[in-house]
Formats: sequence, C-alpha cells, structure tokens
Amino acid sequence: QMTQSPSILSASVGDRVTITCRASQSVSVWLAWYQQKPGKAPNLLIHKSSILKSGVPSRFSGSGSGTEFTLTIASLQPDDFATYFCHQYHTYPCTFGQGTKLEIK
Amino acid sequence: EVQLLESGGGLVQPGGSLRLSCVASGLTFSNYDMNWVRRAPGKSLEWVSTVTATGVHTYYADSVKGRFTISRDNSKNTLYLQMNNLGLEDTAIYYCAKVPVPTMKGADDYWGQGTLVTVSS
Repeated sequence: QMTQSPSILSASVGDRVTITCRASQSVSVWLAWYQQKPGKAPNLLIHKSSILKSGVPSRFSGSGSGTEFTLTIASLQPDDFATYFCHQYHTYPCTFGQGTKLEIK
Repeated sequence: EVQLLESGGGLVQPGGSLRLSCVASGLTFSNYDMNWVRRAPGKSLEWVSTVTATGVHTYYADSVKGRFTISRDNSKNTLYLQMNNLGLEDTAIYYCAKVPVPTMKGADDYWGQGTLVTVSS
C-alpha cells in the first residue's frame, strides 16, 4: 500500500514543492512518478526512484528508497499544475498512491 | 511512433460482461509485458492486470481477480481484457499501457487514449 501526501497542494508559479509517498513495506528503489492532466493519459516522469525519463524537464527530481520517497519540482511552471501519482513496481500487485492534485494558489 | 488504440468500452448493466481490445503499433509488441490500468471518477489510478510478453504469466489486482481475464495475441499485436460480472465499482476509464512493472522494470511508458466503461442499471 502506498500512502501519498498531501492530497491537494496549492502553490504559485516559481514555488518549490515536494510530494511524499510512503510504502507499507520496502519497495527498494522500484518507485515511479506519473503526471496526469484532465482528459489525458498519465505520463511517466521518474522511474527507479530518481531517474528522469528522457525529455522530462530537469526541475523535476525524485529521491528515496525502501519506504520513503519524494518528488520535488524545483520551480513550478504553469504546465506543471496537474495530478501526480506514485507507483510501486517492486512486487505484484502493483499499487498507486492516492494522488496529489497540484493547484494554482 | 508508438500507438495503443483501445476499443470495446461502453455502457453495461451490473453483472454484465465486456471485452476490451488494444491494438499496438510502432513497437515490437511481443517483446513487452502489457497492462491494463484504470481510473474511476474521482479516484486514483489503479493497476488492473499484467500479462507477460509471451502470454504465459498473468497477474491481477485483488479487486478483479476471478472476474477479469487478460490475454494477448502477439500475431495480431493485440491485448485483451475480458471483464465478467461487472459491478458499479468497475466504472472507469481503462487504459492499455506499457509501463514499468515487477516483471519488466524498463523505463519506457506508452499509453492508449483510454476507453470508458460505465456500469449502470
């Protein structure tokens, strides 16, 4: 089970924000982060806890191992306001976090 | 360009069945474990099922085990999800996807546009 927080985050363009994901048991480094915008399919941002998918802006970063993980956006851009999900793929059944909706303050 | 094109969604009564299909192009389909992921209205993403590249092994979320069956036809580059005994809680957009999973942890992700399944009387 993945516990993601906060569920809603209000922030402004230029802010630095952090989203946390906590696993009920160790998932090693097998944690991904996805971004989803309304009406669109999710998009992988980070895999293996901290590896940026090709083409994803460097303002996104991930860290953690075991049971504690974070996604950080260094300086929010207008295109970043979306919903973010963590996803453990260490063992089946795979599980997603509850999601964090990033809103404009 | 990789394309995953789902079909088969629609309105079905509780207890009914549907079969989703996903035709893949632009990738060597038979090399990849493939998945169904869904998102119900107002809820999070939920991994539903995975079938390994050869089709030999399948995995299911507890919420669908015994009701849903994933399969693939590599000769047709097509992924399937047979959904039986559907309940209201199965209402969601269903995505065909290649994403990192325990049996294939590669970095690539490809998603279809999603197909809406609505279970209602």
